[in-house]
This record gives sequence, C-alpha cells and structure tokens, in this order.
Amino acid sequence: NAGVTQTPKFQVLKTGQSMTLQCAQDMNHEYMSWYRQDPGMGLRLIHYSVGAGITDQGEVPNGYNVSRSTTEDFPLRLLSAAPSQTSVYFCASSYGAYSYEQYFGPGTRLTVT
Amino acid sequence: KNEVEQSPQNLTAQEGEFITINCSYSVGISALHWLQQHPGGGIVSLFMLSSGKKKHGRLIATINIQEKHSSLHITASHPRDSAVYICAVIEGPHPVMIGGSNYKLTFGKGTLLTVNP
Repeated sequence: NAGVTQTPKFQVLKTGQSMTLQCAQDMNHEYMSWYRQDPGMGLRLIHYSVGAGITDQGEVPNGYNVSRSTTEDFPLRLLSAAPSQTSVYFCASSYGAYSYEQYFGPGTRLTVT
Repeated sequence: KNEVEQSPQNLTAQEGEFITINCSYSVGISALHWLQQHPGGGIVSLFMLSSGKKKHGRLIATINIQEKHSSLHITASHPRDSAVYICAVIEGPHPVMIGGSNYKLTFGKGTLLTVNP
C-alpha cells in the first residue's frame, strides 16, 4: 500500500491565484481530514470527511473548499490564495473516527507571495 | 475548546537517557494520540489510548483520565529518537458524532526532542 499520498510537495503561489492540493489513500479509509501546521501552533483542522459525499468544516475553514467524490480522494482547493495561507498542509485518514490510528501524508509546503 | 499543554517545549538528552514528555488537557476526553514528527516533516502515529498504559518497543505511553494527564516515556534514548512529539486529544464520550463540535482532534504544540550521541 502507498498509504496517504499528497501532491505537490512544494508550491509557490501569488496572491489571488487558486490551486488544488491533492490527497489520496489506498487503505479504504472512510475518514479523511486536512490540517495546516504553522510555527508555534498545533495542527489545526481545516475540513474533514466521514465518507464519500460527506464533508464538514473544521476549525479554520475560511478560504478553502473540499469535496469527496470517491473514498480514495480528498482534494483541498484554495479559492484565492492569501499570504496568511502560507503553511504546511497535511492530509490524514483513518479507518474510523479519531479514536482510530491516524495515517498522515508527507505534507505540502505552500508559500503565498 | 480543550486546551492541550505539552511540557517541556524543548528537551535535550544524552544517548541512553530515560525521557519523559508530558501532556495535560482541560476538558474530559475519550481518547488521546501520541504522534511523532520526523525532522523531514512526516508524521506517524505512535499510540492511541483511552486508559492505562501501552508499550511499543522502547516507547511507553500512560494516561490518567481523572487527572487529565498523559506521559510518553522513551527508554534508552537514541539519536534516531530526535523528533517532535505531539499529543492530540478527542473530546467527549462520543467521538463519532458526525458534525459535532467534539468531532476533531485538538493538538498540542509539540515537544522538540534532541538526543545527542
């Protein structure tokens, strides 16, 4: 199994540009989440999904959209990038809810200039 | 919102030392995760526990639900243990509530461990 994969690993955007961060898992996990990690702060939940077709907002959802059309894929869209979205983004999946082991992707380092 | 505090923030040890990292939280939880973030950035799950103690190799995690406290111990530390260790908690008795405010992990800021040879 490849586990949780994320692309790209690095990305530089200009303010106002849009882009999609890709996340895929091959473990047939129902639960998937997107987090951002900023210096001096813990990981913060952006959006999550409990299965195909079901998504919900996390702690810091503004400026991001998600969709879950398949069990495997959970892309994160930045609608109009802002410097405040400069961060490292992690996708995670688990078999069940958060009382199950979490599997994290390798992360995407995004810089918005 | 659950406040998750880790201590110490930074820890430097000599190879072979016994390491303890602490995590305390403010609101009752149903489970707690310990995660390890490697210097390259990847995050792996070490333990998920809701009571008692778990052991995996040289790593031991304990939790005291009544005292709202968990510890991660590393015995016979090695330079390859150098990483950031992160504690994360799940609130409430029913973490599987879809859309509920307790349906999320709250993370501590992490403890940076450096083990010198």
